[in-house]
Amino acid sequence: GEDVEQSLFLSVREGDSSVINCTYTDSSSTYLYWYKQEPGAGLQLLTYIFSNMDMKQDQRLTVLLNKKDKHLSLRIADTQTGDSAIYFCADAGNNRKLIWGLGTSLAVNP
Amino acid sequence: DTGVSQNPRHKITKRGQNVTFRCDPISEHNRLYWYRQTLGQGPEFLTYFQNEAQLEKSRLLSDRFSAERPKGSFSTLEIQRTEQGDSAMYLCASSASTRGMLEQYFGPGTRLTVT
Repeated sequence: GEDVEQSLFLSVREGDSSVINCTYTDSSSTYLYWYKQEPGAGLQLLTYIFSNMDMKQDQRLTVLLNKKDKHLSLRIADTQTGDSAIYFCADAGNNRKLIWGLGTSLAVNP
Repeated sequence: DTGVSQNPRHKITKRGQNVTFRCDPISEHNRLYWYRQTLGQGPEFLTYFQNEAQLEKSRLLSDRFSAERPKGSFSTLEIQRTEQGDSAMYLCASSASTRGMLEQYFGPGTRLTVT
């Protein structure tokens, strides 16, 4: 079945860039998403990319998609302590439900 | 605040009891989703409604679980004869069908603890 994988932890210094990586297996993916989850809070949609795009930029966020390798990344420029959270990659495929990774816990050190 | 709301936020129950959770989606959204999330995992899809019609159910949704959306607005998720393995965060999300799967907005979740 479809699967989404992410590295579990990332630690960066405040002001540096963070890059969170994700791989997926579904070759029919249409949309891929990045969600953010802070402790005690709900999931927040950060950004998404359509499968016919290579890159999408939204303020400090840059999403890169390599469809051939089924690799997705989220780059956060000038990472701040408020960016500390768990980041989930999710794949819509051609079904109505999202397939989620386990999440990458981002720690930002001052 | 016109976001997705869920009640209760926390529920502690004894094994074997029934529990019911409620989700109120964003008012103009006709799609509603239920997910379950356990510690260290991503959300797992449970079921999905478009208006009042339940269009898809996961195999995770055993016969002890039932979800309804009677008037196409709020939804309830009931778990009968709870088991310790049901302990999890139950998440509700809504979206507008014009955007398909895009932009699912999540509620804060209901944390269930079965003792």
